[in-house]
Amino acid sequence: EAGVTQSPTHLIKTRGQQATLRCSPISGHTSVYWYQQALGLGLQFLLWYDEGEERNRGNFPPRFSGRQFPNYSSELNVNALELEDSALYLCASSLPGTGVFGYTFGSGTRLTVV
Amino acid sequence: TQLLEQSPQFLSIQEGENLTVYCNSSSVFSSLQWYRQEPGEGPVLLVTVVTGGEVKKLKRLTFQFGDARKDSSLHITAAQPGDTGLYLCAGAGAGGTSYGKLTFGQGTILTVHP
Repeated sequence: EAGVTQSPTHLIKTRGQQATLRCSPISGHTSVYWYQQALGLGLQFLLWYDEGEERNRGNFPPRFSGRQFPNYSSELNVNALELEDSALYLCASSLPGTGVFGYTFGSGTRLTVV
Repeated sequence: TQLLEQSPQFLSIQEGENLTVYCNSSSVFSSLQWYRQEPGEGPVLLVTVVTGGEVKKLKRLTFQFGDARKDSSLHITAAQPGDTGLYLCAGAGAGGTSYGKLTFGQGTILTVHP
């Protein structure tokens, strides 16, 4: 069974540009979660999508947004990139209502803003 | 805002020693999850504890959830060099704005020397 896949693995952008990160969940998983892992800050919750709807978001500005497609894959968009957006962005998935029992994470997208 | 304090941040021990990692919070969680993360990879779920007072064992690893579901510990017996890595605890939100969200501790970097 394929795990959670994220693309691209690395992304280098210039300050002010937009970045798009993609995630494909494990087959059958309808919930997709996005986390930011910045150096020294640990993992911070960004967004949770389930059945195509945004269910919850963390304390991030509106320039962090995303969507979930009918096939449950997801996209994270970061507009007007700032240097401090440089981080590892992790996507995770779970069966509906089972996130409380644990997630399966992808390997992440390393975003570098220069 | 839910916070999870994880300690110690760094642990450097000799092979064969025992160790304990702690996660403490003033908030109640639906579950407490423990992950291990290797460099360049996403976190991998080790165990989830759900019931207050629950104890789970995974070979030489013992996980405990506090009676009030606010704290947890990970104990490793007779550590081996293969145990080296970043260990993360994460609490699953119990409802409201915390629903569907994991709050992560800052992590413990464990190094086991042969």
